[in-house]
Amino acid sequence: SQQGEEDPQALSIQEGENATMNCSYKTSINNLQWYRQNSGRGLVHLILIRSNEREKHSGRLRVTLDTSKKSSSLLITASRAADTASYFCATVRSTDSWGKFQFGAGTQVVVTP
Amino acid sequence: DAGVTQSPTHLIKTRGQQVTLRCSPKSGHDTVSWYQQALGQGPQFIFQYYEEEERQRGNFPDRFSGHQFPNYSSELNVNALLLGDSALYLCASSLAGQSSYEQYFGPGTRLTVT
Repeated sequence: SQQGEEDPQALSIQEGENATMNCSYKTSINNLQWYRQNSGRGLVHLILIRSNEREKHSGRLRVTLDTSKKSSSLLITASRAADTASYFCATVRSTDSWGKFQFGAGTQVVVTP
Repeated sequence: DAGVTQSPTHLIKTRGQQVTLRCSPKSGHDTVSWYQQALGQGPQFIFQYYEEEERQRGNFPDRFSGHQFPNYSSELNVNALLLGDSALYLCASSLAGQSSYEQYFGPGTRLTVT
């Protein structure tokens, strides 16, 4: 089974609205990262949050991490059509060596103009 | 600064054949990881190469093997192809010991097995 699971599976919003997606994981982690993927192409790294951090910002992105609930959320503010993509959370389990990422199934986000 | 490159972009093979996919890491990176992404799913970790050795492996059969060259580039080999091997194969590179754990992904190779 996958370490990370994103929710919702799909999200459709209009430009200017905020998009929020969640990620839950099962085991202790060293850090959690969010990636974006456009149309089945390569993944683009968005943001990394370490296990001792609770919130992190990068531009229009806000990520939170709750290690007690084993969950994270990604908020995209003032969405644009270019934000249309699949978003994945990836974790590195504390029992694994660095670089062995566990991905969820992703959230498909569609932003309509 | 060249990012991660992969070749070929697309590939169509027949069941039972063998395939080799190639990856060149981002300049300055020394570690390469390979992932398989089935349609509608997240990437699944296959294995990781560092210092020309396989360092970690995911839950994939021995039909999946790899190699890393002295210039840090890498190959993924899949033998006795099955229809279920059809997927996007992603290569990611990173720098060993980098505390941020960030990996840079290539555009992928789309493998179709008929």
